[in-house]
Amino acid sequence: AQSVAQPEDQVNVAEGNPLTVKCTYSVSGNPYLFWYVQYPNRGLQFLLKYITGDNLVKGSYGFEAEFNKSQTSFHLKKPSALVSDSALYFCAVRDLYNFNKFYFGSGTKLNVKP
Amino acid sequence: DAGVIQSPRHEVTEMGQEVTLRCKPISGHDYLFWYRQTMMRGLELLIYFNNNVPIDDSGMPEDRFSAKMPNASFSNLKIQPSEPRDSAVYFCASSLASRGGDTEAFFGQGTRLTVV
Repeated sequence: AQSVAQPEDQVNVAEGNPLTVKCTYSVSGNPYLFWYVQYPNRGLQFLLKYITGDNLVKGSYGFEAEFNKSQTSFHLKKPSALVSDSALYFCAVRDLYNFNKFYFGSGTKLNVKP
Repeated sequence: DAGVIQSPRHEVTEMGQEVTLRCKPISGHDYLFWYRQTMMRGLELLIYFNNNVPIDDSGMPEDRFSAKMPNASFSNLKIQPSEPRDSAVYFCASSLASRGGDTEAFFGQGTRLTVV
């Protein structure tokens, strides 16, 4: 079965420092991978995706993610965190062999302190 | 496009009452998903549709829950009768099929349901 794991419930980082939010996946074939962000009382917003091609993908708000096939990981990164980046982050995989179903991770709360 | 539109944004109802949540997907999208989010259980997929046809409803918690998509521009999720444990934020999302790289799902703002 397809699945996504976010091993950290919470990540704390100081403003200006680099941040990493971890995600590992399990899929049958080539993965379609996504990152979403959720601010309080809002819906999930799409940040970036990996479909094919370059392993480093860039997205909104200065975020990027690195696809690593050998480690089955898709970690979200940002070189310099902002307080406004504090939110809930979800990793997701789309299962092309199961009616295009999305599988979401449990979410990681990012806290960026001034 | 205005994005995925959900209504109402907030709903407070008494236990036993019927609740109807509504969703208008992005025009042209083939897939529509209903999710429920709680602190305890996180984000759960309830049901999803492809071209207005329900594909997988295994996430619907009980027979009290039902969802329909009568046409490509509207879906509703009903809970009858509602119970306090149904209190959650319900999200609707839509997407294209997996082609051309346009594969991400777009979420509505959600409906916060409180059953008292």
